[in-house]
Amino acid sequence: QKEVEQNSGPLSVPEGAIASLNCTYSDRVSQSFFWYRQYSGKSPELIMSIYSNGDKEDGRFTAQLNKASQYVSLLIRDSQPSDSATYLCAVKPGGSYIPTFGRGTSLIVHP
Amino acid sequence: NAGVTQTPKFQVLKTGQSMTLQCAQDMNHNSMYWYRQDPGMGLRLIYYSASEGTTDKGEVPNGYNVSRLNKREFSLRLESAAPSQTSVYFCASSERSGGSTEAFFGQGTRLTVV
Repeated sequence: QKEVEQNSGPLSVPEGAIASLNCTYSDRVSQSFFWYRQYSGKSPELIMSIYSNGDKEDGRFTAQLNKASQYVSLLIRDSQPSDSATYLCAVKPGGSYIPTFGRGTSLIVHP
Repeated sequence: NAGVTQTPKFQVLKTGQSMTLQCAQDMNHNSMYWYRQDPGMGLRLIYYSASEGTTDKGEVPNGYNVSRLNKREFSLRLESAAPSQTSVYFCASSERSGGSTEAFFGQGTRLTVV
């Protein structure tokens, strides 16, 4: 069973701070990594994808991938209350096109 | 461009009743998926379809059947609903390979079995 692990939280940060969300995965040959945001009662929405080691930035979001250590993280700079949601990490294991999801981390940004 | 469309959005069933959840995508994706999401359990794969005409079991297939009617449509059927099937169901689609392989989700169906 290929696993994707996330701390369920909640992670609570003040408005304007950096929120750091982490994810580890078990399949060493995974190639594709995704972060989804899910507001309460809504469907998951893709916010970042990353395929190679290093950092990828998009606005206030930065995804970081370290294949040697088998972790992927998401940094949210200048966190806003509207960022309060559950963040799902998804990994496509090696040899599979099917994404495996972590259970998600709940983020709360308080004013 | 609607993306992935699921119907219905809400449904209440009595134990033993049957129903079909409908899903259609207009992104010309080959692969489609059905997930269920329960509190604390994350997204669990029920069935998936690599391409038109093929379907395979995922992590939690018991009590469900699927049909890949054509490239656009992938339906999920509950033949005899049970309270354990109370959940939120998401349909998703993606490409299998290439530069962009992320999954896109429908709005979800909130199903309650009483």
